[in-house]
Amino acid sequence: GNSVTQMEGPVTLSEEAFLTINCTYTATGYPSLFWYVQYPGEGLQLLLKATKADDKGSNKGFEATYRKETTSFHLEKGSVQVSDSAVYFCALRRAGGTSYGKLTFGQGTILTVHP
Amino acid sequence: NAGVTQTPKFRILKIGQSMTLQCAQDMNHNYMYWYRQDPGMGLKLIYYSVGAGITDKGEVPNGYNVSRSTTEDFPLRLELAAPSQTSVYFCASSPLPDRYEQYFGPGTRLTVT
Repeated sequence: GNSVTQMEGPVTLSEEAFLTINCTYTATGYPSLFWYVQYPGEGLQLLLKATKADDKGSNKGFEATYRKETTSFHLEKGSVQVSDSAVYFCALRRAGGTSYGKLTFGQGTILTVHP
Repeated sequence: NAGVTQTPKFRILKIGQSMTLQCAQDMNHNYMYWYRQDPGMGLKLIYYSVGAGITDKGEVPNGYNVSRSTTEDFPLRLELAAPSQTSVYFCASSPLPDRYEQYFGPGTRLTVT
């Protein structure tokens, strides 16, 4: 079946540091890949997505590239801010109409950014 | 638009009690989902619906029931609550899930003691 594995957390960084959160997946075919972010006390919000190999998703300074050859979708940001402190989830959606949009999530990575 | 709303925000149940978690969306989305989030774990799909009157089981449906009588509402019923159902529950919706994202509600934190 489908699965998503994220790097172990939590991650603690100083402001303006470089961020990488690793995400690898197992799936047949060509799934769509997502990063969702959950700020304290809130629901999940879509951060970025990529729907085919070599696509790069980007938003709010975050980027992730869909790498079919390494089955990865690592999240990066060049300079983090305190406001980026949140939980980040990598997720995949199986291709095809019978998936009904169901998402498979990784376990989440807690990011804390200190001033 | 209010988006996806969930009530209550918090609830404490005793073992064996029942309750209904409410979820509503005002975006006219056909697809709706219920997830649970356990500490240190990703979200797991409990049930989903592709339209009014149509529901199906997800990955972890045991102990739960759902109904979808309208496009707007997708309540989740817990019968005979157990400590293993202590979790944060999220409802989500999507218009066309193969093309659009899922929109999440703020969650309901449930404790069963």
